[in-house]
Amino acid sequence: QKEVEQNSGPLSVPEGAIASLNCTYSDRVSQSFFWYRQYSGKSPELIMSIYSNGDKEDGRFTAQLNKASQYVSLLIRDSQPSDSATYLCAVSNSNSGYALNFGKGTSLLVTP
Amino acid sequence: DGGITQSPKYLFRKEGQNVTLSCEQNLNHDAMYWYRQDPGQGLRLIYYSQIVNDFQKGDIAEGYSVSREKKESFPLTVTSAQKNPTAFYLCASSMNVWDGIQGGYTFGSGTRLTVV
Repeated sequence: QKEVEQNSGPLSVPEGAIASLNCTYSDRVSQSFFWYRQYSGKSPELIMSIYSNGDKEDGRFTAQLNKASQYVSLLIRDSQPSDSATYLCAVSNSNSGYALNFGKGTSLLVTP
Repeated sequence: DGGITQSPKYLFRKEGQNVTLSCEQNLNHDAMYWYRQDPGQGLRLIYYSQIVNDFQKGDIAEGYSVSREKKESFPLTVTSAQKNPTAFYLCASSMNVWDGIQGGYTFGSGTRLTVV
């Protein structure tokens, strides 16, 4: 069973601060990594994808990938109360036709 | 507008009853997926289909069945063999499996199934 691990949280940060979310994975041949945001009772929405080592920035979001350490992270700058949600890390699964394997998610709470 | 439609939004199942969850997409996507989400849990893969008339078991296929007779449709049947079916069920699609790798999943709005 290929695993994707996340700290369940909740992670609480004040408005305007940087939120840092972390994820580790066990499948060494994974090629693609994603962060999804999920509001309570809703379906996930894609916010970041990353495929090569290093950083990828998109607006207030930065994804970081380290394949040697099997680690991927998401930084949210200038956090807003509307960022309060569960963040799911997803990794392509070589055992399932490269369908995505999801972590359990980290709950983020941004306090005004 | 193109997208994925899941129905019904809420579904109640009696003990020993089979129920079918509908998933229809008009995105012309080849690949479709079914995931289950329990409270406080991530998404777990039930079944996936990369092409019409073909599908594969995911991590938790026991007690479920699917069909893929049309490109647009990928219904999921929750059978009486599934002993703990209460969960949030999500259907997703991507242009093809490799596009799925590129993060091109489109999710439906989900079906919440409850055993009564």
